[in-house]
Amino acid sequence: EAQVTQNPRYLITVTGKKLTVTCSQNMNHEYMSWYRQDPGLGLRQIYYSMNVEVTDKGDVPEGYKVSRKEKRNFPLILESPSPNQTSLYFCASSLWASGPNEQFFGPGTRLTVL
Amino acid sequence: AQKVTQAQTEISVVEKEDVTLDCVYETRDTTYYLFWYKQPPSGELVFLIRRNSFDEQNEISGRYSWNFQKSTSSFNFTITASQVVDSAVYFCALSEENAGNMLTFGGGTRLMVKP
Repeated sequence: EAQVTQNPRYLITVTGKKLTVTCSQNMNHEYMSWYRQDPGLGLRQIYYSMNVEVTDKGDVPEGYKVSRKEKRNFPLILESPSPNQTSLYFCASSLWASGPNEQFFGPGTRLTVL
Repeated sequence: AQKVTQAQTEISVVEKEDVTLDCVYETRDTTYYLFWYKQPPSGELVFLIRRNSFDEQNEISGRYSWNFQKSTSSFNFTITASQVVDSAVYFCALSEENAGNMLTFGGGTRLMVKP
């Protein structure tokens, strides 16, 4: 089944404790991206990647890191989480042909930073 | 800079009513792409439509239709004969060709369809 998986789905942590949210897709998509969703703000793009070893900042990259060492994986790293990073996070992937295409989203990771 | 505005934060209708969700965008590019996504109460995000800036043809898919007007920078979404299952948050999004492939979402419109 074609899908994007994220782990963990729920996470409660404390300020400053490094964490990684994994994202994996099995559709051989070139493009992957991370978003955060906050009430009233819609989804805001954190980072995206056009292919292996190619990553770029989105709208709200501060406090986050990503890497793309393999085509299928795109982990999101919070080196020192803070309470303002409490949010719902989505990973997405898509083909890249003639511009951006339909993005397939993971189920989301709800993160709470105390 | 690209921007998407969904001025309607919440809309409530009674089943079988038609409803239009507005989306207004700002861009300096001549080549860009517009999208609509649906987020039902279960939380997943579902793709509805993609449109590029050179294709102003309106689209109809069942009860859904989209009206793209470059002259007013709008890409509105209409649901005909709404159903309770249409209750969701709907997001409009924009990607400019020259903005490094960033995707910018509007704030979303929560649609509640009452029986």
